[in-house]
Amino acid sequence: GQQLNQSPQSMFIQEGEDVSMNCTSSSIFNTWLWYKQDPGEGPVLLIALYKAGELTSNGRLTAQFGITRKDSFLNISASIPSDVGIYFCASMDSNYQLIWGAGTKLIIKP
Amino acid sequence: DGGITQSPKYLFRKEGQNVTLSCEQNLNHDAMYWYRQDPGQGLRLIYYSQIVNDFQKGDIAEGYSVSREKKESFPLTVTSAQKNPTAFYLCASSTGYWNTEAFFGQGTRLTVV
Repeated sequence: GQQLNQSPQSMFIQEGEDVSMNCTSSSIFNTWLWYKQDPGEGPVLLIALYKAGELTSNGRLTAQFGITRKDSFLNISASIPSDVGIYFCASMDSNYQLIWGAGTKLIIKP
Repeated sequence: DGGITQSPKYLFRKEGQNVTLSCEQNLNHDAMYWYRQDPGQGLRLIYYSQIVNDFQKGDIAEGYSVSREKKESFPLTVTSAQKNPTAFYLCASSTGYWNTEAFFGQGTRLTVV
């Protein structure tokens, strides 16, 4: 079936550093979503992208819908401790079901 | 405040027992979903419902059952037929099946002892 390949699997970063993660697929999608999950909580939608080439920001977060419609990336600028968590990309298949990447776990070095 | 509520937060079950996880939403959403999350993996769809009194199997429905008697409620029963039920279970809702933006509950961590 369709899969979203998310990388990296985990990241160790220093506070204040910029972060970049991406999501790719062999299939074309019309939507890309980025969610964040805090430990022991449900995911929360950060950014939704609906148009190829679209670049959208939400505070320190910026996400782009790849022009080929097969990828998306998420950038976090000047990371802070509360950015810790798991970031998931998601998209919608032809049956209107959300499919999910395996997540990128963000860990900030003390 | 509008939201989606799962209960309990933590649940322990003995092998061979059925257990029901609660999910309630007051967002007036038509569509509701149950996902299972295992460490290091993405979310896998168990069941979904697009409208009251109707539900469909997701990718990993075996050993689970659901009902949708009310718009606000979508309980999930983990039966004894589920071979590996220990996991984090997430309920979500959206305005409709076509809507990509899902709202999640806080999850229920089920442990089989």
